[in-house]
Amino acid sequence: EDQVTQSPEALRLQEGESSSLNCSYTVSGLRGLFWYRQDPGKGPEFLFTLYSAGEEKEKERLKATLTKKESFLHITAPKPEDSATYLCAVQARGYQKVTFGIGTKLQVIP
Amino acid sequence: DGGITQSPKYLFRKEGQNVTLSCEQNLNHDAMYWYRQDPGQGLRLIYYSQIVNDFQKGDIAEGYSVSREKKESFPLTVTSAQKNPTAFYLCASSIERGDTQYFGPGTRLTVL
Repeated sequence: EDQVTQSPEALRLQEGESSSLNCSYTVSGLRGLFWYRQDPGKGPEFLFTLYSAGEEKEKERLKATLTKKESFLHITAPKPEDSATYLCAVQARGYQKVTFGIGTKLQVIP
Repeated sequence: DGGITQSPKYLFRKEGQNVTLSCEQNLNHDAMYWYRQDPGQGLRLIYYSQIVNDFQKGDIAEGYSVSREKKESFPLTVTSAQKNPTAFYLCASSIERGDTQYFGPGTRLTVL
């Protein structure tokens, strides 16, 4: 069974304090790993799709990386508006179900 | 603007009632999905549809029903058979099944 574990469950950062969120996964052949941002009471907003180990993608202060066992979402010099829950999800090859993690709730304090 | 809309944003249901949640997309996507989100749990798949007039059960389909009569629309009915329906419901779509999914704003259903 595919599994996604995100850590930490919650993270509190000072504005400008860079850090990383972790997504560990087990899947029988990775087709894709997805990162989403979710604000309270809203639907998840798509950030990145990663397909193979070594791949990296960036968007503003966010950078996602992928290894064979985990993905990191690096946040550089975060701002209060980066506060949200970040969801990770994986999809196995041939079996197109997407398995979601519970998320990491990030709070950035001014 | 292309996107996914869900209505209503908030919905209250009395026990024993069926309610229908609306999901519309103008992205020209073939695949559509319904998920349920509960505190402390990852999103769980209720139903998905790869094409018009076809849909499949997900992991937690009991107590729910769907239809897909138009490409743009994928309504979800929460029936009285669903024992614990209070949750945040999310609709998503993708170009095809297996592609990146894009989500709507969600509907929060509360059973009174």
